[in-house]
Amino acid sequence: GNSVTQMEGPVTLSEEAFLTINCTYTATGYPSLFWYVQYPGEGLQLLLKATKADDKGSNKGFEATYRKETTSFHLEKGSVQVSDSAVYFCALTATGANSKLTFGKGITLSVRP
Amino acid sequence: DAGVTQSPTHLIKTRGQQVTLRCSPKSGHDTVSWYQQALGQGPQFIFQYYEEEERQRGNFPDRFSGHQFPNYSSELNVNALLLGDSALYLCASSLVGDSYEQYFGPGTRLTVT
Repeated sequence: GNSVTQMEGPVTLSEEAFLTINCTYTATGYPSLFWYVQYPGEGLQLLLKATKADDKGSNKGFEATYRKETTSFHLEKGSVQVSDSAVYFCALTATGANSKLTFGKGITLSVRP
Repeated sequence: DAGVTQSPTHLIKTRGQQVTLRCSPKSGHDTVSWYQQALGQGPQFIFQYYEEEERQRGNFPDRFSGHQFPNYSSELNVNALLLGDSALYLCASSLVGDSYEQYFGPGTRLTVT
């Protein structure tokens, strides 16, 4: 079956530090890949997505590239802010419309001023 | 435009009881999915409703059932509650044909004692 593996957390960084959160996946076919973010007390929000190999998703300074050869979708940001403190989830959907999302366990990011 | 709304926000039940959670999708959306998020884990897909029918189902027992109404809102019912059902229950809505983005509600926190 499909699965998503995220690096173990939590992660604590100082403001303006570089961020990388690793995500690898197992799936049949050609999944679509996502990063969702969950701010304290709020619901999940889509941060970025990539729907085919070599696509780069980007939003709010975050980027992730769909690497089929390494089955990875690592999240990066060049300079984190305190407001980026949240839980980040990597997820995928199998090929097809409105397929269910399969999530990783999530990783908590804390950014210190 | 209201996003996805869920009610109630919090709920405390006793083992063996039954519970009903409610979800109103984002305006214009016709598909509702439910997820269970245990503490410290990623959301797990329960099922998805479209045109008042269950389209997909995850690995959850029959104690979990649902319904979708003609106005696209949805209910999640859980019978014979177990302590392990304590979790955040998330509703997500989407539009058939737009397979890449699901909008999540803030969730209902269910505690079973």
